[in-house]
Amino acid sequence: AQSVAQPEDQVNVAEGNPLTVKCTYSVSGNPYLFWYVQYPNRGLQFLLKYITGDNLVKGSYGFEAEFNKSQTSFHLKKPSALVSDSALYFCAVRSPYYGNNRLAFGKGNQVVVIP
Amino acid sequence: DTEVTQTPKHLVMGMTNKKSLKCEQHMGHRAMYWYKQKAKKPPELMFVYSYEKLSINESVPSRFSPECPNSSLLNLHLHALQPEDSALYLCASSQEEGAGYEQYFGPGTRLTVT
Repeated sequence: AQSVAQPEDQVNVAEGNPLTVKCTYSVSGNPYLFWYVQYPNRGLQFLLKYITGDNLVKGSYGFEAEFNKSQTSFHLKKPSALVSDSALYFCAVRSPYYGNNRLAFGKGNQVVVIP
Repeated sequence: DTEVTQTPKHLVMGMTNKKSLKCEQHMGHRAMYWYKQKAKKPPELMFVYSYEKLSINESVPSRFSPECPNSSLLNLHLHALQPEDSALYLCASSQEEGAGYEQYFGPGTRLTVT
């Protein structure tokens, strides 16, 4: 079964500094990887995904993520954090195999951007 | 337009009530999902519909009954719920059920069972 680890509970970063949210995964076959963000009292918003191709994926709101197969990681990055980026971030993985491709979420990381 | 709408936004119900949650999307997506989410936790999959047929039921208690009247609508019928069922219920949709398709989530219905 597929699984995701997001090792940190909370990430604190000063406004204007680079933001990194870590994610490692475990899955059979080539992974399909996703990042979602959830603002308070809202649903999840899709940020970006990796299916195949370039290891560096660019997404919404200036976010990007780098797929590293050897380290089984898919860290989310933003060069300059904004206060409005404060939210709960979920990494998720799906197996490519039909019948075993439920979206497996990590526990989530609370990001706090300090003005 | 990547919008999934859900009604109501908030719902308070007693343990003997019957109520329904509604979800709608007009993106032409053929897969729709119900998730349950507790505070600060990841969503937990409940049901998946693909082409209006139930594809996955994650061993959800029968007091939750999903329905997909057409390709744009998804309902979740609730009956005889327990206080531990209080949570945020999220609907999502994707172009297809396949693994490479991202899911688009609605804002959720905040359910409180008293």
